[in-house]
Amino acid sequence: KAGVTQTPRYLIKTRGQQVTLSCSPISGHRSVSWYQQTPGQGLQFLFEYFSETQRNKGNFPGRFSGRQFSNSRSEMNVSTLELGDSALYLCASSPIPGLYEQYFGPGTRLTVT
Amino acid sequence: QQQVKQSPQSLIVQKGGIPIINCAYENTAFDYFPWYQQFPGKGPALLIAIRPDVSEKKEGRFTISFNKSAKQFSLHIMDSQPGDSATYFCAGKKASGTYKYIFGTGTRLKVLA
Repeated sequence: KAGVTQTPRYLIKTRGQQVTLSCSPISGHRSVSWYQQTPGQGLQFLFEYFSETQRNKGNFPGRFSGRQFSNSRSEMNVSTLELGDSALYLCASSPIPGLYEQYFGPGTRLTVT
Repeated sequence: QQQVKQSPQSLIVQKGGIPIINCAYENTAFDYFPWYQQFPGKGPALLIAIRPDVSEKKEGRFTISFNKSAKQFSLHIMDSQPGDSATYFCAGKKASGTYKYIFGTGTRLKVLA
């Protein structure tokens, strides 16, 4: 079974621009969560989607948004990029919310210059 | 009440040694405690997990010890190998509801050959 895939793997953007990252969960998994990973803050939860609905949201500004499609694929968008948004953005999937195991993708490394 | 505190921040051991990584949680509603292993350039991979109804769980060379009364749990790596050199994250989660994973800040382990 293929794992979680994320595209693109690397991205360089300029301050003020916006970016869209994509995540395809493991086949059959319907819950997708997004995390931001930075050396200083570690892994921080962004949001979780299930059945195209956001179920949970972390403490990030409204510039960070996401959505989920009917095939469970998910995208996250960051508008008006700031230097501090440079991070590894990780997507994780699980069969349904509340089930314990979640599986991470390789991440998208975003650099904001 | 949501934090998971992880220590040490970094750890160096000789091959064959037994590195121990500790985590302490605050939220008594947590009932699932996974450990993830992350290699550079990769997403975190689920290593082993425990629920508070058991005090110890072993999978291969990896052991979780759990102390519910102290709200602490730890990861032991038996007969550590250079290939175990990675960053390890603990986490806590409530199984049901909309609670999200709360991650520790990570421990960078280096196993010397």
